[in-house]
Amino acid sequence: DAGVIQSPRHEVTEMGQEVTLRCKPISGHDYLFWYRQTMMRGLELLIYFNNNVPIDDSGMPEDRFSAKMPNASFSTLKIQPSEPRDSAVYFCASSLRSGRAGETQYFGPGTRLLVL
Amino acid sequence: GNSVTQMEGPVTLSEEAFLTINCTYTATGYPSLFWYVQYPGEGLQLLLKATKADDKGSNKGFEATYRKETTSFHLEKGSVQVSDSAVYFCALSTGGYQKVTFGIGTKLQVIP
Repeated sequence: DAGVIQSPRHEVTEMGQEVTLRCKPISGHDYLFWYRQTMMRGLELLIYFNNNVPIDDSGMPEDRFSAKMPNASFSTLKIQPSEPRDSAVYFCASSLRSGRAGETQYFGPGTRLLVL
Repeated sequence: GNSVTQMEGPVTLSEEAFLTINCTYTATGYPSLFWYVQYPGEGLQLLLKATKADDKGSNKGFEATYRKETTSFHLEKGSVQVSDSAVYFCALSTGGYQKVTFGIGTKLQVIP
């Protein structure tokens, strides 16, 4: 398996522009997570999905952020309008719900976003 | 709520030194415990895990034992290598939920 795939790997944009980050989870995984990583705040969970349905979006910073999962093999995280404080590395991860404790999350390589 | 506390870095060690990174947790119920590692420019990947008390997780020479009485899951390695330089995250999940609570991460730098 190719693992979790994210695109683009790097994104540089200007303040006010719309940014769309994409993720393809590992085939067969039921859960998909979006995280943001910064030096100041560490690793933050933004939102996660189970079987394409958003379960917890309490980590989404504000209305400028939105996430969708139209099918089991694709998810997007959109920022509109973007601001310089959104600059971070955004990770997508997926996991399998097997009913056992301690399922592993598999992370993608991340998208490094810089908003000027 | 759930929380994970780990030592702040950076930790700088010479090659072949002994490594300990402390991790303690607070959780409802009986959590599963993890150590994830992040190499420069990459995403996190699972290093080891333990799902019940007294279990020992191990991988690549790293070990951690689930200590319920002290609510700890300290990471150890007997002899570190330069290639172990990375950021290490302690984490937990509870019940059947897949949501994972991560610590702040500890940066390890190993010098030759």
